[in-house]
Amino acid sequence: GAGVSQSPSNKVTEKGKDVELRCDPISGHTALYWYRQSLGQGLEFLIYFQGNSAPDKSGLPSDRFSAERTGGSVSTLTIQRTQQEDSAVYLCASSWRGEDTQYFGPGTRLTVL
Amino acid sequence: AQSVTQPDIHITVSEGASLELRCNYSYGATPYLFWYVQSPGQGLQLLLKYFSGDTLVQGIKGFEAEFKRSQSSFNLRKPSVHWSDAAEYFCAVGAAGTASKLTFGTGTRLQVTL
Repeated sequence: GAGVSQSPSNKVTEKGKDVELRCDPISGHTALYWYRQSLGQGLEFLIYFQGNSAPDKSGLPSDRFSAERTGGSVSTLTIQRTQQEDSAVYLCASSWRGEDTQYFGPGTRLTVL
Repeated sequence: AQSVTQPDIHITVSEGASLELRCNYSYGATPYLFWYVQSPGQGLQLLLKYFSGDTLVQGIKGFEAEFKRSQSSFNLRKPSVHWSDAAEYFCAVGAAGTASKLTFGTGTRLQVTL
């Protein structure tokens, strides 16, 4: 597609439920990133995929967070047993390689009640 | 680890006035620096970037930024602001001299008065 797409655009869930957020990167981009934007923490890096290498998970805040990237394209960020502090906008970005400019999607706004 | 400081949380300028948004970074070597803009309910749009070379970089929408190593700064400027420039602006630095794993500043919210 023309840009990075994310779905859903909004997600409301109850505390304790699991959620899955999807990211479709720009076609041909080998690097994919997840970031979180929250009132308390600002914009923070979560996880980074580059080609077939093992992902860099250094930004994941807890083991309730995980992500996978299938076929080097689409990525899914999963949050298990959601907590109210997980409420945020989750942004996905992609780039040609890990050394290049990142292009961001519109984000998924997650609200945990 | 690298860090970014945007000292101004909120700036108000009149339409047609000039604009400068401040950004200071902390990184030992030559950083990869970016300015992104976020309009309400939108994702981040890249305005400009600095990787190396000419320290004055031009971006979209009439913005420019100057990399000053001696001051560890990468300030964003625009000579004449338009009402449509009202948004939040983020400065970012890539990890370890790369463009990956961006560390963002806290953002500067720009308000434009008519």
